[in-house]
Amino acid sequence: DAGVIQSPRHEVTEMGQEVTLRCKPISGHDYLFWYRQTMMRGLELLIYFNNNVPIDDSGMPEDRFSAKMPNASFSTLKIQPSEPRDSAVYFCASCSSNQPQHFGDGTRLSIL
Amino acid sequence: AQSVTQPDIHITVSEGASLELRCNYSYGATPYLFWYVQSPGQGLQLLLKYFSGDTLVQGIKGFEAEFKRSQSSFNLRKPSVHWSDAAEYFCAVGAVYSSASKIIFGSGTRLSIRP
Repeated sequence: DAGVIQSPRHEVTEMGQEVTLRCKPISGHDYLFWYRQTMMRGLELLIYFNNNVPIDDSGMPEDRFSAKMPNASFSTLKIQPSEPRDSAVYFCASCSSNQPQHFGDGTRLSIL
Repeated sequence: AQSVTQPDIHITVSEGASLELRCNYSYGATPYLFWYVQSPGQGLQLLLKYFSGDTLVQGIKGFEAEFKRSQSSFNLRKPSVHWSDAAEYFCAVGAVYSSASKIIFGSGTRLSIRP
């Protein structure tokens, strides 16, 4: 069975550029989560969706970050403009209600 | 406030030795508890979960965990570790309510295996 698929796996770009991270959740899962992982702050929940609707975006660091889920099989996390402090590993996870979350392999983002 | 504490940042054990990773939580409602493992360059993989019932739960890769409500703990154990168990381990707590499957993660414990 296909798990949560994230792309790209690695992204290196210069500060000020727009970055778009993509996620395909497991088919049938109605929750989707975006996390950021850094050495300093650990694993942080940025935003999550239920049935394609954003439920809680209180973890989004600032207005430069935005996330969308246009349909049940696709979500994006966008950073515009990007800054060096945005460098981190970004994870997407999905689950069905009352079930554990399944994680993708992450996108390692480096902003120069 | 809801929180998860993993007091050990880094643990080193010898291959073949037993392992216990500690996890304490603070949660207002009856918690749902999880242990995840993260290998380098990988995402988090679910080891085991506790939702209800038997407080000793078995997981994959020979791991088990015991829920102790009186101690607000959910420690992870393995009787004999293998070199492949070297990874980062995360405890997490959540509560299923009407609108979310949101969980809170601990800061993680890095496990190293001594040959």
